[in-house]
Amino acid sequence: EPEVTQTPSHQVTQMGQEVILRCVPISNHLYFYWYRQILGQKVEFLVSFYNNEISEKSEIFDDQFSVERPDGSNFTLKIRSTKLEDSAMYFCASSEALLGGYSYEQYFGPGTRLTVT
Amino acid sequence: AQKITQTQPGMFVQEKEAVTLDCTYDTSDQSYGLFWYKQPSSGEMIFLIYQGSYDEQNATEGRYSLNFQKARKSANLVISASQLGDSAMYFCAMREGNRDDKIIFGKGTRLHILP
Repeated sequence: EPEVTQTPSHQVTQMGQEVILRCVPISNHLYFYWYRQILGQKVEFLVSFYNNEISEKSEIFDDQFSVERPDGSNFTLKIRSTKLEDSAMYFCASSEALLGGYSYEQYFGPGTRLTVT
Repeated sequence: AQKITQTQPGMFVQEKEAVTLDCTYDTSDQSYGLFWYKQPSSGEMIFLIYQGSYDEQNATEGRYSLNFQKARKSANLVISASQLGDSAMYFCAMREGNRDDKIIFGKGTRLHILP
């Protein structure tokens, strides 16, 4: 069964460093998302991406964040200058656009645990 | 205001019993979708079940069923014949509108299945 994959599974970085989190969505999916979950808290939406552009972003997704689909398979989240409060689990998700533009399920990857020290 | 409310931060249930996890939601959209995800201690998010706002039948997937009460804006998850492997965090979530929009999550309920 196809699945969303994410690398690395765990990343440790120093405050102020840039990190790139990588995701490979399911191959025929057209909509891509990043969510984050601070330890012990609920999952929060960061950004959605469709047709090579951001379709929606949350207030969390400030200028320090960017997303890119550099080729036909990868979807990346970059944090330019990490802060301690960026420590969280980051989930990538993708969904398929069915006929009529309606789909119902977002498939989540296993997550990347980012630790900023 | 909270879009998704899960009032049970934690629950303890005896193995083999049925369990109901509560979820209420708030939206003014006519078209929306409701989801339940399971998050075991390993951290991944596992999709369990989906209910569309126009679906007349309650969704079922194996031992999972969604008790959808539209007028009450309630979407409780029922797990029948609970198993030790059901111990996890459970999130109720909603997608507003009829498109591939973001999912809004509740705070979750931690379910402990006792042997």
